[in-house]
Amino acid sequence: DSGVTQTPKHLITATGQRVTLRCSPRSGDLSVYWYQQSLDQGLQFLIQYYNGEERAKGNILERFSAQQFPDLHSELNLSSLELGDSALYFCASSPNPGELFFGEGSRLTVL
Amino acid sequence: AQSVTQLDSQVPVFEEAPVELRCNYSSSVSVYLFWYVQYPNQGLQLLLKYLSGSTLVKGINGFEAEFNKSQTSFHLRKPSVHISDTAEYFCAVSDTGRRALTFGSGTRLQVQP
Repeated sequence: DSGVTQTPKHLITATGQRVTLRCSPRSGDLSVYWYQQSLDQGLQFLIQYYNGEERAKGNILERFSAQQFPDLHSELNLSSLELGDSALYFCASSPNPGELFFGEGSRLTVL
Repeated sequence: AQSVTQLDSQVPVFEEAPVELRCNYSSSVSVYLFWYVQYPNQGLQLLLKYLSGSTLVKGINGFEAEFNKSQTSFHLRKPSVHISDTAEYFCAVSDTGRRALTFGSGTRLQVQP
């Protein structure tokens, strides 16, 4: 158990819909990262937050957004969903440079 | 920007044999290097990391890796693998000023009895 909690574990929805994925980082970790894992793209960095502020942005689509709340949990919002958005979405938190602790992921299926 | 190349998508090996998983990186600045493992239906777990100092890094589960700056490599090795080592292994890099990691495409290690 990494200490990072992600919900929901599985989500099935239709094209055009919007979903929200939630992440609770390890106690004391201020940084939260979101990654997307798919068969064709591999592990892609989406966005990082540090203590409520956006720190770095990767290959995140404009249809996607995220935020980190004062209690440090984070949400990733995916809207106008397309078939190609089907993937595993991982959240990770970090106490030190590069030492990311990953949650078990949220598997999104878009039909 | 950094990039990571994992040269082998799959590596089959017999139990108790040695294994090496190859990783090369590209970066114009100093880097941190990592190996993560992903077991089926689980998240990624840190195996080992190189931040500075000794170029030979030891990690969990008997794995080790060697940082070679001249060859821009960070290959992962284990002298004797077990069935339980069957998993996907990811090499990752970040520059020393950022914290987000860039991952390679992964190497599937298949340990056969």
